[in-house]
Amino acid sequence: EADIYQTPRYLVIGTGKKITLECSQTMGHDKMYWYQQDPGMELHLIHYSYGVNSTEKGDLSSESTVSRIRTEHFPLTLESARPSHTSQYLCASSEWDRGVNTEAFFGQGTRLTVV
Amino acid sequence: QKEVEQDPGPLSVPEGAIVSLNCTYSNSAFQYFMWYRQYSRKGPELLMYTYSSGNKEDGRFTAQVDKSSKYISLFIRDSQPSDSATYLCAMKSGGSYIPTFGRGTSLIVHP
Repeated sequence: EADIYQTPRYLVIGTGKKITLECSQTMGHDKMYWYQQDPGMELHLIHYSYGVNSTEKGDLSSESTVSRIRTEHFPLTLESARPSHTSQYLCASSEWDRGVNTEAFFGQGTRLTVV
Repeated sequence: QKEVEQDPGPLSVPEGAIVSLNCTYSNSAFQYFMWYRQYSRKGPELLMYTYSSGNKEDGRFTAQVDKSSKYISLFIRDSQPSDSATYLCAMKSGGSYIPTFGRGTSLIVHP
């Protein structure tokens, strides 16, 4: 079982609020990712990190920001939530193992509703 | 054309049936292939991870990769109602950090 945790699991918040979605992993993985997933739709990569102090934007344009100050922690922040941000947010991690990037392990997700 | 195509379903089968789930892809650089299972309102969990062509078996699950046809499959034998979930394929090229996911196939196994 993967040791990657997301909090909160569910969040309902008003428009304009600032929110931070937390993601932590205890596997020592250097690569971490944030995906957005709407019901019945693909996973869309919104941010990723190769390691501490490294962050990159993914394929999907996002108004969120991320930080990677510690290996185990990769929070995602929305400065001003909008109803269009309503979605499920999934955090994942992976590592290099003998020159190969291992498979990604996912957290349980945060289901965000902006009203 | 998307890099990875996967029929969203739903695929409905009776308990005990053999299930075949498939993905096609267009990027010949893909070398690593994964299948994830995702229950409703949960994160995806890894089922199978294979490299290059061939078969890999794990219990009731068999993953098959045909690189010449750019086609991968997941077979589930003796399907159970607990197998009802969305199955996502994912793949990546050698040295790549970022997998490309299919949109998932919804599977319903009815008693």
